[in-house]
Amino acid sequence: DGGITQSPKYLFRKEGQNVTLSCEQNLNHDAMYWYRQDPGQGLRLIYYSQIVNDFQKGDIAEGYSVSREKKESFPLTVTSAQKNPTAFYLCASSIQGNNSPLHFGNGTRLTVT
Amino acid sequence: GENVEQHPSTLSVQEGDSAVIKCTYSDSASNYFPWYKQELGKRPQLIIDIRSNVGEKKDQRIAVTLNKTAKHFSLHITETQPEDSAVYFCAASGGWSGNQFYFGTGTSLTVIP
Repeated sequence: DGGITQSPKYLFRKEGQNVTLSCEQNLNHDAMYWYRQDPGQGLRLIYYSQIVNDFQKGDIAEGYSVSREKKESFPLTVTSAQKNPTAFYLCASSIQGNNSPLHFGNGTRLTVT
Repeated sequence: GENVEQHPSTLSVQEGDSAVIKCTYSDSASNYFPWYKQELGKRPQLIIDIRSNVGEKKDQRIAVTLNKTAKHFSLHITETQPEDSAVYFCAASGGWSGNQFYFGTGTSLTVIP
């Protein structure tokens, strides 16, 4: 949806460097999420946040960090501790509460060499 | 946590035929089941969803069925067209994990003209 903006679309980094992926939404959604997508593995949850200044680890949080200082923004930092960071990263948001669909950004393809 | 399995991983059909994708889930408390379509290099987009108080939902050529007892739900696409070619993901949410979404590993659908 046009309401979620991820930048940049492509990102290249050298191994050992931290890198931050941006995610901004203007949908007034309380909940925001970061997913990692690898071929054949579907979408795996990294971190999610249901309100400002609060976030929880997902299934694959090791080597990643997030912050939620503003409702509109949920940046993801891929640290040097992430052993296999090359992947397609998707940010999403939803209205708080059950039975509300995720709205995805266009994704950032990160390549670490 | 919730475990969502999706089959088949690849599916080829002739244009005009029907396509069926099946998913099972493990958490009996899950109550919201969206389906997403993802074209190559693009964001996943919601195509249809179903809530646990409904057994079937239709939207033109697309339908979803839910069997809560058996804990499985299926996507049905009728009169397939080449533009239906994409990767389809099922998801489940609303169980013990609340607002978290758990995704299947995806089905790559090819519609042969």
